[in-house]
Order: sequence, then structure tokens, then C-alpha cells
Amino acid sequence: GQQVKQSSPSLTVQEGGISILNCDYENDMFDYFAWYKKYPDNSPTLLISVRSNVDKREDGRLTVFLNKSGKHFSLHITASQPEDTAVYLCAAASSSFSKLVFGQGTSLSVVP
Amino acid sequence: NAGVIQTPRHKVTGKGQEATLWCEPISGHSAVFWYRQTIVQGLEFLTYFRNQAPIDDSGMPKERFSAQMPNQSHSTLKIQSTQPQDSAVYLCASSPNTGQLYFGEGSKLTVL
Repeated sequence: GQQVKQSSPSLTVQEGGISILNCDYENDMFDYFAWYKKYPDNSPTLLISVRSNVDKREDGRLTVFLNKSGKHFSLHITASQPEDTAVYLCAAASSSFSKLVFGQGTSLSVVP
Repeated sequence: NAGVIQTPRHKVTGKGQEATLWCEPISGHSAVFWYRQTIVQGLEFLTYFRNQAPIDDSGMPKERFSAQMPNQSHSTLKIQSTQPQDSAVYLCASSPNTGQLYFGEGSKLTVL
């Protein structure tokens, strides 16, 4: 079964607005959570990651929120720009040393 | 730093033929991962090695797929008796012990 799920295949946000991308997971043992960004015809690259000992991490315009009891984490992008348009993949692992399980991806479009 | 190198970038095979895909990880990275990317399934984990030892091959189709890492500078993914459903982009990634994956550009396999 799908251990990591992104329920929204696509999202459109106005330039300057906040993009909120969501991810749900099933495995209680997941301890490491990450968001990757993928442009068409390119490979995914890491945006931001968190361990389960924190419930929030900020990095510039990016913030990851982790809700372990709800098995849910999200990525918020403030002041969204057209260059943020890409596919965003959430991923989780039981540790930073084990396999990373990816969601299906959410295609974000930031429009003027 | 050349990044993760994958060859060939594109491979076309006939049904029933063998395909071998190569991956050169980033020097100094201890882990090598193989993923398969399709539109329907997204990014699926296949197998990974740490310090050249196979750790988890739970994503590998058992009968026709095999992976090896004979030395620290390369890994191979071999698919025997290829089938049209094996058509996908096969991504190799390497990682130091941080959890971050550095992906190659992928090998696009087309089975006719």
C-alpha cells in the first residue's frame, strides 16, 4: 500500500500568496520527513527536511509543520513566485539511514 | 563535483532482451539507492546499498531484476527478459549519512 500519500495532485496559487502542500503517512516508525522539488525533465532535489523531535522548521520562505499524532506533515511556501512552479514530493523514512518513501507528488502552479 | 552519473541516459530494448543500467555515486557517499519513476506509480523504491553491502531490496521485482555494487564507485541495475511494463525512468541516488539523497539524471528505459 501507499505508505506516503499526497492527496492533491495539483495546486494553483496566486503570485505572492501562500502555497500549502500536504502529506499523510501510515508508518508509525517514520522519523525523518522531507520535501523534494522536481522540475520537468529534471531529478528531484531536497528542499527541506525535519526529524520527529521537532514540529516545525523554517528556512527562508519555507516552513515544514509536522503533526506526528495525526501522521501528517506539510510544506508552506510564503510569497509564492512563478519560479516555485514545480512538482513537490514529500518523503519519509524510519531514520536518515534508511530508505526514503516518496509520495506521488503535487504539481504546484504559481500564476500572476 | 560531477554529481551522480547515470548511463545510458536513454535505452531502447526489445521485449525479452536484457538491460543493464549503470550508476556512479558521488565520491565519499556511503549509500546508493535505486528508484523507478513512472507517471502512474510515481517514485518507487527498488533497492539500496550501504558501504557496498545490500541493505534493503524490498522494492525489487524478484524474478527479473538484480542490482550489484561491486566497488564503491559504481552500481548496476540489471533487468532480464525486459517487458513493456518495465519502461520507466530509473533513478540512482547517493547519500552521505545525512538522509539527503542526491539524484542522477536518470536512465530512461523503453521496452518495445
